Parts: sequence; C-alpha cells; structure tokens
Amino acid sequence: GIQVEQSPPDLILQEGANSTLRCNFSDSVNNLQWFHQNPWGQLINLFYIPSGTKQNGRLSATTVATERYSLLYISSSQTTDSGVYFCAVGFGNTDKLIFGTGTRLQVFP
Amino acid sequence: EAGVAQSPRYKIIEKRQSVAFWCNPISGHATLYWYQQILGQGPKLLIQFQNNGVVDDSQLPKDRFSAERLKGVDSTLKIQPAKLEDSAVYLCASSLVPFGGTGTQYFGPGTRLLVL
Repeated sequence: GIQVEQSPPDLILQEGANSTLRCNFSDSVNNLQWFHQNPWGQLINLFYIPSGTKQNGRLSATTVATERYSLLYISSSQTTDSGVYFCAVGFGNTDKLIFGTGTRLQVFP
Repeated sequence: EAGVAQSPRYKIIEKRQSVAFWCNPISGHATLYWYQQILGQGPKLLIQFQNNGVVDDSQLPKDRFSAERLKGVDSTLKIQPAKLEDSAVYLCASSLVPFGGTGTQYFGPGTRLLVL
C-alpha cells in the first residue's frame, strides 16, 4: 500500500524561529491535506493542497505532486503552534485518506 | 457554524464489554468518516459513509466493530466485544464534497476509550 513518511519526527524550537516539515509519499495521490493536532487531541485542517502553494498567515504549504512530496513552512513560531503535524494523502476511487507518521513540534518561550 | 459533535468524550470499560460512540457531522456534509487513533500514531480510517451508504470499510474489524448512519446524518460506531487493543481515540470527521473527492475533512474532538 501507499507509504507516507514525515520528517523530522520531532522538532524543538524557540519562539520566533522558522521551520520546515516534509511529507514524502510513495505513489500518485488525488489530494494531500495538512493537519495540526493540538495537545488536547483536536485535529485541525490547515491546508487542502493536492498541488501548488498556499499561504495562510504564518503558515504556508507547497506540494510537488510529480516528485511526491509536500512541505509545510511555519514562520515566527509561537507556543500555540506546539502539537503534532500530520500530512494525509487521498488516493483511489474513494479518495481514502492515509495519514503520515507525524512530526511532533514543541515551541518554547 | 457548529463543528462535528461526538459523545461521549471518555469511556472506560472492561474487556468483553460493549460500547457505542455517537457522531453528528457538520450540517449538509454528505461524507462521514470514523477513524481510530492509537497513541503515538496517525489516525487510521475504519469506515467511510456517503450519505447513508458505506463507501469503504476495508479496515473495519467486522467481527467486533459495526457502524451505521441512518438517514444520512448522524452515525453510531459500536464495538462488541471490546479487546484491550481497542484502547484508542475514536475520531469522527465529515466533508462536504460528494462522492469522487474527499474534500477538506473536519474532525470532531474524539472519544477516548480505555479497555481494562
């Protein structure tokens, strides 16, 4: 089946720093979504980005579908950015989502 | 706009007991999903509904898990009998896009299940 790998697995930053999270996938996909899971477990959709680049405030994402990877950029990190970031890819007739391994981000003041 | 609602938020049961979780999706969302998230892992899709029909249940352990979505709105996921390895967070999500595209998925707060 399709494999979704994220790197790095863990990231520790000081407030104000920038970071790049990577998602690699092993096969062609119909769509790609980035999620943030906060320390209380709530999953929030950040981007629906099957290709191209999108920006939302301090966050931006780029997906290069032909090379099977996506990047999530976080600029000027804040403590509220802490949590786990997942990418998920949709494939097949039902566009079933497969989640990646996650990147755990901790931002300290 | 109200988000995806789930209940209960927490449940503790003993193995071999049964348990049921309820989900009410965002109004108007045709597609509903149930995921299982084991500690330290990403969510895994258990079942996907399009209106009240099942689109994908390939990863649902059908010997003990069942789900229904009557009238194409809210849904119930049941485990009977529960095993220790069923301890996890059960997440419900919904999306607006009709069959043929997942669209942006919106998640509920989840139900944390502990099986003793």
